[in-house]
Amino acid sequence: EDQVTQSPEALRLQEGESSSLNCSYTVSGLRGLFWYRQDPGKGPEFLFTLYSAGEEKEKERLKATLTKKESFLHITAPKPEDSATYLCAVLSSYGGSQGNLIFGKGTKLSVKP
Amino acid sequence: DTEVTQTPKHLVMGMTNKKSLKCEQHMGHRAMYWYKQKAKKPPELMFVYSYEKLSINESVPSRFSPECPNSSLLNLHLHALQPEDSALYLCASRQAHGDNTEAFFGQGTRLTVV
Repeated sequence: EDQVTQSPEALRLQEGESSSLNCSYTVSGLRGLFWYRQDPGKGPEFLFTLYSAGEEKEKERLKATLTKKESFLHITAPKPEDSATYLCAVLSSYGGSQGNLIFGKGTKLSVKP
Repeated sequence: DTEVTQTPKHLVMGMTNKKSLKCEQHMGHRAMYWYKQKAKKPPELMFVYSYEKLSINESVPSRFSPECPNSSLLNLHLHALQPEDSALYLCASRQAHGDNTEAFFGQGTRLTVV
């Protein structure tokens, strides 16, 4: 069964304190792993797509990496505005050519000034 | 432009009402999705449309009826809902083929059933 597990569920950081969020997955026929940021009451905002082990993507203070079984979202010197829930999702081959986006439960990040 | 537009932003409806949620995108995406999200939970897949045809229905009750009238529009018709159907309803779209598989989400419709 396709599955995505994120840890930790919640993470509290001081401003400037770097850390990493984890996303482990089991999926048949991975077609992409995605990171999203979601603010309360809003839709998920796309951050990164990763396709193959060893791939890395960066955007401002965020860096996403991928191995064969997990992905990490590294946050360097976070600021209070980085506070949000970060969702990891994988696109599987289920459902034919369109596939299905399977989400983890998310990590709620709080960054205190 | 990576915008997916959902209307209305908020909706309050009674259990005997009929209402519709709308979603629009102009990115040329041919795969469109409806998700339901309860508070502090991840999005939960409801329906997938591929080239305007329903390809996945995740055993959603018939009081939710999706419709894809053309490649840019996706509707979700609501009838005889229950209070437990109150949630954030999200629409998403992505390319049906090619290398770019990421999905883009709208801001959602906050639905309250009274």
